[in-house]
Amino acid sequence: DTGVSQDPRHKITKRGQNVTFRCDPISEHNRLYWYRQTLGQGPEFLTYFQNEAQLEKSRLLSDRFSAERPKGSFSTLEIQRTEQGDSAMYLCASSTRDSDYEQYFGPGTRLTVT
Amino acid sequence: GQNIDQPTEMTATEGAIVQINCTYQTSGFNGLFWYQQHAGEAPTFLSYNVLDGLEEKGRFSSFLSRSKGYSYLLLKELQMKDSASYLCAAEMDSNYQLIWGAGTKLIIKP
Repeated sequence: DTGVSQDPRHKITKRGQNVTFRCDPISEHNRLYWYRQTLGQGPEFLTYFQNEAQLEKSRLLSDRFSAERPKGSFSTLEIQRTEQGDSAMYLCASSTRDSDYEQYFGPGTRLTVT
Repeated sequence: GQNIDQPTEMTATEGAIVQINCTYQTSGFNGLFWYQQHAGEAPTFLSYNVLDGLEEKGRFSSFLSRSKGYSYLLLKELQMKDSASYLCAAEMDSNYQLIWGAGTKLIIKP
């Protein structure tokens, strides 16, 4: 297994457009997390899945954000009507309680909204 | 409320030892993670402390005091490649959500 992968690595979009990011976790990991990170800050929790169930969503997340994990494997994060404030690195991580609780991060998708 | 504090930036000399502190206040607590993040890259796992005390892993050690809401990461025999941001994150009682500090940027000088 090559680890957590994310696609695309970079996305430039105009304000008001919709964007969708994909995350493929490590195959045996049942937990999947989405974070947002801006320069000089730590990751900010967005949402969490256990298998296909979305168990938690940050109260800071607006209705423009939605995430899915339809078959308990890959996940997508969609941002509708993007705003300049959405510009950030979007990180995906996966984990399993069968391991040492470590969250393995993907390389991230850098979003720039112009 | 939830709050995690760590210094913004630290400078150390190659070959020396540096200690990066982290204090946390959370409504529930399971354990404390330390991650390393090089510029432009994703965080990578360093350590996870659940019990009080020091855990050593090669050049890196991590300490936790649950009663004081305090942890530190100790880096020995510093190398230039250790220049990175070091993030502490508290795991909530819910067992899945991490509250992250802003990170400490460590600058290593020759």
